[in-house]
Amino acid sequence: SQQGEEDPQALSIQEGENATMNCSYKTSINNLQWYRQNSGRGLVHLILIRSNEREKHSGRLRVTLDTSKKSSSLLITASRAADTASYFCAQTGANNLFFGTGTRLTVIP
Amino acid sequence: NAGVTQTPKFQVLKTGQSMTLQCAQDMNHEYMSWYRQDPGMGLRLIHYSVGAGITDQGEVPNGYNVSRSTTEDFPLRLLSAAPSQTSVYFCASSGPTGTSYTDTQYFGPGTRLTVL
Repeated sequence: SQQGEEDPQALSIQEGENATMNCSYKTSINNLQWYRQNSGRGLVHLILIRSNEREKHSGRLRVTLDTSKKSSSLLITASRAADTASYFCAQTGANNLFFGTGTRLTVIP
Repeated sequence: NAGVTQTPKFQVLKTGQSMTLQCAQDMNHEYMSWYRQDPGMGLRLIHYSVGAGITDQGEVPNGYNVSRSTTEDFPLRLLSAAPSQTSVYFCASSGPTGTSYTDTQYFGPGTRLTVL
């Protein structure tokens, strides 16, 4: 399987704290993406980072990519209760994406 | 734009029954795909299509058929439902023409299927 893995599987923090989740993948990529899934809903795209990029920001999100270690991290700063969700990384294949198993983030008000 | 729509939202089947999960997108996307999501397994790709008339298998295609007669629609057929197909099914699309198939994916809301 080419599925990547997120770490940790679950994370619980207080509102206002930062949340960091990591993703490891197995093969070379064109890009790596992060998605959010609220309970019972479909996935929503958060950010895409290409293989020649090392860091990318979008609002309170910061993504890093280390292709030599085949790993990426997602940082959510100043977390809010509304950030409670599952977060998935997805690595590219030839014509499709391979999703990890996700990190369940709980932000406590 | 409605984006990616899926019907039905919920479905209960008996073992051996067949059904079609519908997926439609109004963004003129070339690429469409079906995933299933099971607890602890993440999303796994069932089938995908890079354009009308073109389909290919993903990671877990057994027991499922697809066709792509139009750009907008990409139905998923369960030929003879089994309890192992109990899952949440998501359809996704990406495009438009000229972008990579593996760029941003737009997901539908999902269909929760239970096979008894």
